[in-house]
Amino acid sequence: DAGVIQSPRHEVTEMGQEVTLRCKPISGHNSLFWYRQTMMRGLELLIYFNNNVPIDDSGMPEDRFSAKMPNASFSTLKIQPSEPRDSAVYFCASSTRQESQPQHFGDGTRLSIL
Amino acid sequence: GNSVTQMEGPVTLSEEAFLTINCTYTATGYPSLFWYVQYPGEGLQLLLKATKADDKGSNKGFEATYRKETTSFHLEKGSVQVSDSAVYFCALTNDYKLSFGAGTTVTVRA
Repeated sequence: DAGVIQSPRHEVTEMGQEVTLRCKPISGHNSLFWYRQTMMRGLELLIYFNNNVPIDDSGMPEDRFSAKMPNASFSTLKIQPSEPRDSAVYFCASSTRQESQPQHFGDGTRLSIL
Repeated sequence: GNSVTQMEGPVTLSEEAFLTINCTYTATGYPSLFWYVQYPGEGLQLLLKATKADDKGSNKGFEATYRKETTSFHLEKGSVQVSDSAVYFCALTNDYKLSFGAGTTVTVRA
């Protein structure tokens, strides 16, 4: 079975540019999560969707960040304009909406803002 | 709120040594507990889980027991291999969101 698929795997761009990260969750999973991982702050939850609806976006750092889930099989995380401090690895994860079920992570997008 | 505290690394071991990584948690109610592993350049993978008190999760020679009385979920492996070198995260959930520990980097030398 296909796992969570993220694209691109790597992104290098100049500050001020728009960045769009993409995620395809596991089929049948109705919860989707976006995380950011840095050495300084570890893993941070940015936003959580359930049935395509954003439930908790309290982790989104600021208005430059936005996330959408137009359907059950696709989500995007957009940064506009990007800044060097946004450099990190961004992970998408999905799960069924059952407390005991684990989240399944994609391989991440390594983002570098120059 | 929920929080997870795990022992700081890095941890360096020789092959076939015993590994233990301590994890304690604070949570309301009865959380489910997880250990995730992250290999270089990859996402997090579920290693094992336990959903209620006294449950023991196990996988690939790793074990952890859900201890409600001590609010702990320590990870152990009796004989590590070089391929076990990775970052290990303890996590809990009781409201569909995962709360992670800071991660422990383990390096196993041949």
